[in-house]
Amino acid sequence: DQQVKQNSPSLSVQEGRISILNCDYTNSMFDYFLWYKKYPAEGPTFLISISSIKDKNEDGRFTVFLNKSAKHLSLHIVPSQPGDSAVYFCAARTGNQFYFGTGTSLTVIP
Amino acid sequence: DAGVIQSPRHEVTEMGQEVTLRCKPISGHNSLFWYRQTMMRGLELLIYFNNNVPIDDSGMPEDRFSAKMPNASFSTLKIQPSEPRDSAVYFCASSLGRVTNEKLFFGSGTQLSVL
Repeated sequence: DQQVKQNSPSLSVQEGRISILNCDYTNSMFDYFLWYKKYPAEGPTFLISISSIKDKNEDGRFTVFLNKSAKHLSLHIVPSQPGDSAVYFCAARTGNQFYFGTGTSLTVIP
Repeated sequence: DAGVIQSPRHEVTEMGQEVTLRCKPISGHNSLFWYRQTMMRGLELLIYFNNNVPIDDSGMPEDRFSAKMPNASFSTLKIQPSEPRDSAVYFCASSLGRVTNEKLFFGSGTQLSVL
């Protein structure tokens, strides 16, 4: 059973606009959430994270929002750049186990 | 540090053959994970080790799959016999193994094709 869900397989955004990637989870024991970015033929690389005690974390153009009551996580990229085109995975941790979603393929159109 | 190193990058084999995937975690990392990436399930956790000991292998799909970690710097994932449905990208990842602000570091993956 998928504990972390990314319901949008793909997203296209114009360069300079905002990209919003969404993620839902079911396990209330998750205490830490992460976003990973993956380019073709490479492994996923860490992008940004947030602890369950916070509702927002910002790092440059990337902001992650956490809504615990809705069990919902989102990643905002502003402004979007062509180099942001990649697959983005949402992940959640409980104990020392990390669970990933199915990924959202983001295409930023120049 | 060179990061997590996986070999081979690509493996093409015939159904029924044994396949062995290899991983060298980042030095000093105490936890090692094997994931499989598929379109339907995304990054699926197969097994993870802590201090070389398998902690949870509930994600291993069948008895055809086995994993070992004989020492802190090496792990293998073996499929015997392999089947076409095993075709996927297999990732190894490692982490420090501490609870706070932990993150995984991934290797480049092994693209497995079983014909």
